[in-house]
This record gives sequence, structure tokens and C-alpha cells, in this order.
Amino acid sequence: EPEVTQTPSHQVTQMGQEVILRCVPISNHLYFYWYRQILGQKVEFLVSFYNNEISEKSEIFDDQFSVERPDGSNFTLKIRSTKLEDSAMYFCASRDNSNQPQHFGDGTRLSIL
Amino acid sequence: DAKTTQPPSMDCAEGRAANLPCNHSTISGNEYVYWYRQIHSQGPQYIIHGLKNNETNEMASLIITEDRKSSTLILPHATLRDTAVYYCIVSRRFQGAQKLVFGQGTRLTINP
Repeated sequence: EPEVTQTPSHQVTQMGQEVILRCVPISNHLYFYWYRQILGQKVEFLVSFYNNEISEKSEIFDDQFSVERPDGSNFTLKIRSTKLEDSAMYFCASRDNSNQPQHFGDGTRLSIL
Repeated sequence: DAKTTQPPSMDCAEGRAANLPCNHSTISGNEYVYWYRQIHSQGPQYIIHGLKNNETNEMASLIITEDRKSSTLILPHATLRDTAVYYCIVSRRFQGAQKLVFGQGTRLTINP
């Protein structure tokens, strides 16, 4: 069964550094999402992306965050200047154009030191 | 999107049916009930969804009350691998770039 893949599985970065989290959505999917989960807390929506533009973003998704689909297969989340509070699991999800649910990757654990 | 209420935790014996309740008393007519689960810190896994009719797939069954104010997810023969946090999410049908709003879910523990 096709799945969403995320790399790396664990990223350790110094505070203030830029980080890029990578996702390969399921190949025929058109809608893409990023969520995050701080340890012990709920899964929180960050941003949705369709037709090469952001469809919706949450309050968390401020100017330090950006998303990009640089080619036909990758979907990336960039944090420009990381803060300690950015430490979390980041999940990518995708879905196709029909009435189908979102499918999630297994996440990238981001640790900011 | 309508909010949901789930018990924080439940236990079930291996091999028995696990019945997970969810209250969604403010659900509106165009909103569906979706169930996801999260095993350990893995990504949420889709289980099932429904509008007003009961639904069944290879993973589970979903029973929605006639007034649609509550629902029950049934895992017919729970295994140890079903130990996870289960999320009931009410949302408009997957149209457009629809986000999911997760609550705290129910932590289901399957005991041997």
C-alpha cells in the first residue's frame, strides 16, 4: 500500500538554525498538510497546501515557517530560525482529490538544542 | 468544526470487542465522524468514517446514533497491537484542503 514517507526520522538542530523537513506524499495525491505534536500534547494543524499555494494556515504557522513543493514528489517544511519551543514531532499528510481521508507519514522528531 | 468528547482511557481484554464512545452533540448536518488512531508516536492512522449510517471495514465498525449526537467505534477482536490513542474527529466531508482538529483522544490499552 502506498504511504507517505518523511525524512529524516530525527533531526537535531541548534537554536537559531534553519531546518528543512522533507516529505514524499503519496504519488497521485493533490492536497498536502503539515501537523505537529509537542511531546505529551495534541496533534496540531499547521498548514494545508493545494495547487502550489497555501490553502489554510494556523496561528502557529508564522513568518518563520514556509512550505514548498519544489518538484513533483517532495513537500517540504522550512523553519527559518528555530526556537526551543519548535521541538516536536512533525507529521506530513496527503490526500487525493476525491472523498478520501488524509494519510499521515510517521513523522520527523525535531529536537532544538 | 464540532467538538467531541471522549473518555481519556479505556482497557479491554485481548480477543474481546473494544467499544470506544464519542459524544458530538453539536454536530451539524454536513459533518462526518472520522476515527483515527496513533500507536506510540507514529503518525495518525485512518480507521473509518461515517455520516449517519453504520459503517464497517476491515479494521472496525462505526455505529452512529440516530440523532447523530454520539457514535461508537468497535474493534471486534482486539489484539495487543490495537493499543493506541484513538481520536474521534467531527469535520465537514473531506472537500478542499480540509484540516483535521485533534482532541486528546482515548488511550486504549489491550491487556493479555
